[in-house]
Amino acid sequence: NAGVTQTPKFRILKIGQSMTLQCAQDMNHNYMYWYRQDPGMGLKLIYYSVGAGITDKGEVPNGYNVSRSTTEDFPLRLELAAPSQTSVYFCASTVQSNTEAFFGQGTRLTVV
Amino acid sequence: RKEVEQDPGPFNVPEGATVAFNCTYSNSASQSFFWYRQDCRKEPKLLMSVYSSGNEDGRFTAQLNRASQYISLLIRDSKLSDSATYLCVVNMGAAGNKLTFGGGTRVLVKP
Repeated sequence: NAGVTQTPKFRILKIGQSMTLQCAQDMNHNYMYWYRQDPGMGLKLIYYSVGAGITDKGEVPNGYNVSRSTTEDFPLRLELAAPSQTSVYFCASTVQSNTEAFFGQGTRLTVV
Repeated sequence: RKEVEQDPGPFNVPEGATVAFNCTYSNSASQSFFWYRQDCRKEPKLLMSVYSSGNEDGRFTAQLNRASQYISLLIRDSKLSDSATYLCVVNMGAAGNKLTFGGGTRVLVKP
């Protein structure tokens, strides 16, 4: 079972570049989330979605955009990358908001 | 005040000992509570859900105290493999359908 798949696993960006982090789940989960985790810190919510066509901001949305055109996919877009966006990004999905979250393996992003 | 707070540790625990730590949450409307385990440079994975009546899974016991707005995790007979970061996760329910993570408590079990 694939579960939650994130690509790429690693990426180095130059300041000002843009990129899209891909996230796909094959469990037909309604809820999907994007988190970032800085070294030695917990996970901070960037954006989340409760279903196709519906997205909402989390705690740290600035500098990011998302879309949810299908149940399976929830890409995260970084526009004009900045060093402060150097982090590990995790995508997660749940059936409902109060059930177990399944995570992708993470994308390690460095902005130089 | 942060929505979900944890003591970052580290808790240095001798092998075989018991360790316990708490997590406080700010929103009294919170409905669901979880403990996740995260190994270094890996994704978090569910350790256990936390129910109102408390629950136990082997050497792990979780408790919920709604009056004081905290959950706890106790690990008995600690193993070297228990070394990890333990993340408290709260779902705010009607106040926001999102999972909010605490900063994590690091546990180091030593021989």
